[in-house]
Amino acid sequence: DAGITQSPRHKVTETGTPVTLRCHQTENHRYMYWYRQDPGHGLRLIHYSYGVKDTDKGEVSDGYSVSRSKTEDFLLTLESATSSQTSVYFCAISEAGQLNQPQHFGDGTRLSIL
Amino acid sequence: GQQVMQIPQYQHVQEGEDFTTYCNSSTTLSNIQWYKQRPGGHPVFLIQLVKSGEVKKQKRLTFQFGEAKKNSSLHITATQTTDVGIYFCVARSGGSNYKLTFGKGTLLTVNP
Repeated sequence: DAGITQSPRHKVTETGTPVTLRCHQTENHRYMYWYRQDPGHGLRLIHYSYGVKDTDKGEVSDGYSVSRSKTEDFLLTLESATSSQTSVYFCAISEAGQLNQPQHFGDGTRLSIL
Repeated sequence: GQQVMQIPQYQHVQEGEDFTTYCNSSTTLSNIQWYKQRPGGHPVFLIQLVKSGEVKKQKRLTFQFGEAKKNSSLHITATQTTDVGIYFCVARSGGSNYKLTFGKGTLLTVNP
């Protein structure tokens, strides 16, 4: 498996609190992605990055922000968590941004907002 | 953005039966990828199809890309309990080279 580490793996927190999820890679891949997975919705892209300090929104970006200050780290922040953000969050990386490059996924973070 | 419809949403089979999942798009796709996610796991890349009418095989798995490049299928021959999981098709979103749109997936369960 690709060297991708997500932390924390599980988190329970309360509505209104800030939450930051971390994705760390050891592959030196340029592209990194954050998805959320919910029953009946498959995987939906939240934000992605195509380089250090270069990020863009996905299809469900409201309520989320990201930062990438180093190639290896991509942070996802929920500024004020809501119960609708309870989900499983996956980070993915790819060597290049073209569709012909597969994405490699981390093990996921299970986040519960009470 | 790019929409890919995947059917069926669920499929339960007896071990040894065949299984097929379909992915359909209203627009022409440049290429398509397939992923598998085991229960409790993360999606894992299986294969990519690029050419019109392309057929690729991986042991008991056969992947096809339609002639019009608007649909694709994954067929599993003689399912085994290890085939259990969600199978996703993935296509490029809109005009971006970076974003992928996942189908909602087909959950396959296999009764031993």
